[in-house]
Amino acid sequence: GENVEQHPSTLSVQEGDSAVIKCTYSDSASNYFPWYKQELGKRPQLIIDIRSNVGEKKDQRIAVTLNKTAKHFSLHITETQPEDSAVYFCAASMGTQGGSEKLVFGKGTKLTVNP
Amino acid sequence: DGGITQSPKYLFRKEGQNVTLSCEQNLNHDAMYWYRQDPGQGLRLIYYSQIVNDFQKGDIAEGYSVSREKKESFPLTVTSAQKNPTAFYLCASSIEEGYPYNEQFFGPGTRLTVL
Repeated sequence: GENVEQHPSTLSVQEGDSAVIKCTYSDSASNYFPWYKQELGKRPQLIIDIRSNVGEKKDQRIAVTLNKTAKHFSLHITETQPEDSAVYFCAASMGTQGGSEKLVFGKGTKLTVNP
Repeated sequence: DGGITQSPKYLFRKEGQNVTLSCEQNLNHDAMYWYRQDPGQGLRLIYYSQIVNDFQKGDIAEGYSVSREKKESFPLTVTSAQKNPTAFYLCASSIEEGYPYNEQFFGPGTRLTVL
């Protein structure tokens, strides 16, 4: 089955610096890669996603890149702010017997942005 | 916070008791999912359902049961067979066709504690 590895598990940056979180996946059939942000005690919220027909997607300070050949994708946050502090999860889609897809999640990265 | 709701927010259980966690969505989504979240473990899939009256086991289904009698509802029962049930439980839903295909929307979660 699909396996998603996420690194690093913790990341501490100074406000204004960039942060990069990387994920690798094992199933070459995966075609959807979302990133979720989860604040303490709250639900995960989708912040950006990418599908396998594009290599990069950007939304203001957040960008995601996808390398299908190497089977890895990354989250880039520029000009970090204290409110970016949270746990970030990557995920990759995986086919099911019913034909639709489910998500396999990485173990998360705790990002701390120091003022 | 509308769309997908979970209740209760906090739940305490004595060992040997079954408990049922509620998940309701008014997004007209076909698919619903249950995840368990433990510190440092990310989100692990317990059960998922792609259509009413059908559901599939996820990666950690042992000690759990579900039903899907209505499209809007996907309750999870944590049985006494689950040896370590203390965790944060998240419910999610997604569409099966059309846009945004595969995107999962999460409920606010239920924190279950076994006393």
